[in-house]
Amino acid sequence: GENVEQHPSTLSVQEGDSAVIKCTYSDSASNYFPWYKQELGKGPQLIIDIRSNVGEKKDQRIAVTLNKTAKHFSLHITETQPEDSAVYFCAASIGNTGNQFYFGTGTSLTVIP
Amino acid sequence: GAVVSQHPSRVICKSGTSVKIECRSLDFQATTMFWYRQFPKQSLMLMATSNEGSKATYEQGVEKDKFLINHASLTLSTLTVTSAHPEDSSFYICSAHVAGLASEQYFGPGTRLTVT
Repeated sequence: GENVEQHPSTLSVQEGDSAVIKCTYSDSASNYFPWYKQELGKGPQLIIDIRSNVGEKKDQRIAVTLNKTAKHFSLHITETQPEDSAVYFCAASIGNTGNQFYFGTGTSLTVIP
Repeated sequence: GAVVSQHPSRVICKSGTSVKIECRSLDFQATTMFWYRQFPKQSLMLMATSNEGSKATYEQGVEKDKFLINHASLTLSTLTVTSAHPEDSSFYICSAHVAGLASEQYFGPGTRLTVT
């Protein structure tokens, strides 16, 4: 089955700096890669996603890049703010309709004011 | 759009009792819903996949007779933890796949279960 690894497990950055979280996956059939933000005591929120036919996607301060050859994808957050502090999970999915997600182990991001 | 609700948000029950958790898609139809369990500072662990009108598919190691899942309509799935024990205490989260929208899953806010 699919195996998703995520690094780092914890990340601290100064407010205004950039944060990068990286994930690798094992199954070349994976074609959908979402990123979720989870605040304490809440469910994960989809913040950005990318499909295998695209190399990069950006939404304001958040961007995701995908390297299919190397089987890795990354989340980039620029101009970080204290409210970006949360746990971030990457995931990989095979197929198009309701297939299960394989989650990374999470990255706890702390933005220091 | 794509809002998923869960009820209750927190529940405390005594050992041996059963507790039901509801997951609803509020503004879309969900042909598939997923149930996850999450321990503190850990990732989400998939428990089962629930398809409307059919039996749920359970992940290896998850007892289907203990964690009863019903997906009776396109907007509602329920998870019932039967004969709860303290080790069942956890954060339970559901997600819903948006029918017709390839791949996306939206998560509920989670239910904190404490078994005393």
